[in-house]
Amino acid sequence: ETGVTQTPRHLVMGMTNKKSLKCEQHLGHNAMYWYKQSAKKPLELMFVYNFKEQTENNSVPSRFSPECPNSSHLFLHLHTLQPEDSALYLCASSQYASPSTDTQYFGPGTRLTVL
Amino acid sequence: GESVGLHLPTLSVQEGDNSIINCAYSNSASDYFIWYKQESGKGPQFIIDIRSNMDKRQGQRVTVLLNKTVKHLSLQIAATQPGDSAVYFCAELIQGAQKLVFGQGTRLTINP
Repeated sequence: ETGVTQTPRHLVMGMTNKKSLKCEQHLGHNAMYWYKQSAKKPLELMFVYNFKEQTENNSVPSRFSPECPNSSHLFLHLHTLQPEDSALYLCASSQYASPSTDTQYFGPGTRLTVL
Repeated sequence: GESVGLHLPTLSVQEGDNSIINCAYSNSASDYFIWYKQESGKGPQFIIDIRSNMDKRQGQRVTVLLNKTVKHLSLQIAATQPGDSAVYFCAELIQGAQKLVFGQGTRLTINP
């Protein structure tokens, strides 16, 4: 609907598992974002990529590892997660990485549960 | 994907009534504000924005008001419809920063 797709939509993993979240945008945008949305906190920016280069890492633990092979695809590799990492992970994209001029379009999110 | 859990402020209105959703921001250096709507199972969707050199901006059935004196932002939805049921949250951009800071959100429920 928004031109940003995320897979899987739901993921349950153990603390010792390794999994990856995928995001793809079909809007021709150059900037992509990962956000975390927890039940008790506002939406938190995790990473920003602009033209495939990481421009923002918002003090995210190293157990979250992003990858941006091209401007249309963004991955979030997960390993050795904790139960408190359970949340909705949202991907977004925008024409450029300028929040004051470029509307961000969000995907539907991946609901992650860490057991 | 549900956006938030059990601790959101909630607002219930009758279908057809007007809704007002409020947001307080903390940084006087914020110069750009956005309202988002998040329906169940979906990501946030841009509704309307306003810059700090404006007090009011209108869209289709929505109006955003900005009171810089008390650092307050509101979203008015006219003639609410069942499709307006969602979580609404504001975001602010601090002058010179390159990332948005989001509010907690308000869950709007439309009663038939």
